[in-house]
Amino acid sequence: DQQVKQNSPSLSVQEGRISILNCDYTNSMFDYFLWYKKYPAEGPTFLISISSIKDKNEDGRFTVFLNKSAKHLSLHIVPSQPGDSAVYFCAANGSGGGADGLTFGKGTHLIIQP
Amino acid sequence: EAQVTQNPRYLITVTGKKLTVTCSQNMNHEYMSWYRQDPGLGLRQIYYSMNVEVTDKGDVPEGYKVSRKEKRNFPLILESPSPNQTSLYFCASSHNRGNQFYGYTFGSGTRLTVV
Repeated sequence: DQQVKQNSPSLSVQEGRISILNCDYTNSMFDYFLWYKKYPAEGPTFLISISSIKDKNEDGRFTVFLNKSAKHLSLHIVPSQPGDSAVYFCAANGSGGGADGLTFGKGTHLIIQP
Repeated sequence: EAQVTQNPRYLITVTGKKLTVTCSQNMNHEYMSWYRQDPGLGLRQIYYSMNVEVTDKGDVPEGYKVSRKEKRNFPLILESPSPNQTSLYFCASSHNRGNQFYGYTFGSGTRLTVV
């Protein structure tokens, strides 16, 4: 039973446009949501997070939106750049304040086309 | 430099031969976790540790052991590896200060092949 779902295995976006990556979750006990970016042969790197008490968090070109009633979050990247091509993982943590690790989605491969 | 270090990066071994993948972090983090990444399955948690001598099972713990004798180290032990444990493994660490969770920092990964 998958608690964090990324239903799009891949997404292709033109350079300069907006990239929108989506994530759904089923566990209403999740407290924090995070996005990680992963290049081949490297470990995931933290991108941005949002607490369940907020509905939006921005960091430069990256914005994460959380809709708790729909159990849905999305990552917006504006404008998209070639270096953004990577696999993006949505992750969530329960009410343990991070102590019990993360539950990940299967990832979305973002391809930025010139 | 703040980092999580895993060794080895690559390992090919034979079925049944015990092995240990080491993980060390230099950030004084309380929380540490192990994950495996498989095609089409994303990252799945194997074990986690909330602090020294406190460990617990994640989603896919079968065939693995861990220990947390010191804060900085969290080795992953495969007592009798099998081919279905061929995977890419990641160690990660994190902390929580004043109710603020800072996310996990990941190591570079260990690619394990069991033949």
